[in-house]
Amino acid sequence: EDQVTQSPEALRLQEGESSSLNCSYTVSGLRGLFWYRQDPGKGPEFLFTLYSAGEEKEKERLKATLTKKESFLHITAPKPEDSATYLCAVQPDDNDMRFGAGTRLTVKP
Amino acid sequence: DGGITQSPKYLFRKEGQNVTLSCEQNLNHDAMYWYRQDPGQGLRLIYYSQIVNDFQKGDIAEGYSVSREKKESFPLTVTSAQKNPTAFYLCASSINLDRVGVAFFGQGTRLTVV
Repeated sequence: EDQVTQSPEALRLQEGESSSLNCSYTVSGLRGLFWYRQDPGKGPEFLFTLYSAGEEKEKERLKATLTKKESFLHITAPKPEDSATYLCAVQPDDNDMRFGAGTRLTVKP
Repeated sequence: DGGITQSPKYLFRKEGQNVTLSCEQNLNHDAMYWYRQDPGQGLRLIYYSQIVNDFQKGDIAEGYSVSREKKESFPLTVTSAQKNPTAFYLCASSINLDRVGVAFFGQGTRLTVV
């Protein structure tokens, strides 16, 4: 069964304190892994797509990496405006997208 | 500006009522989707459509119905058969008919049973 597990559920950081969010997945075949940012009461905003192990993508303070079993979203020197819930999703070969429950990030000034 | 518009933002339903959530996109995307989001859970797929006049059930289609009469529109009806409809509903669209990735989401409709 295709599964996506995100950890931690919640993460509190001080401004400037770098950290990583984890997305572990189990799929029969991976067509793509996606990261989204979701602000409270809003729809998810697309951040990255990763297709194969070893691939990396960067956007401002965010960097996403992918291995055969998990993906990391690294946040370097976060700012309060980075506070949001970060969602991970996988696209299996023969099924619809599967979403993790998300990591709720809070960055304190 | 191109995007996906969901309305209303908040919706209240009485027991036994059917309600319809609107989703319109001007991105010229072929594929459209409806997801349900509950606290502490990942998004779950209700229905999707890859082409006008055709749609497929997702994981949790029971108690819901959809139509796709126009490329731009994909309304979702929450019927009285849906026993636990209180949730945040998200509409999305994708340009890719292979359904690889859902790139654009609407701002959501929060449905509450009163």
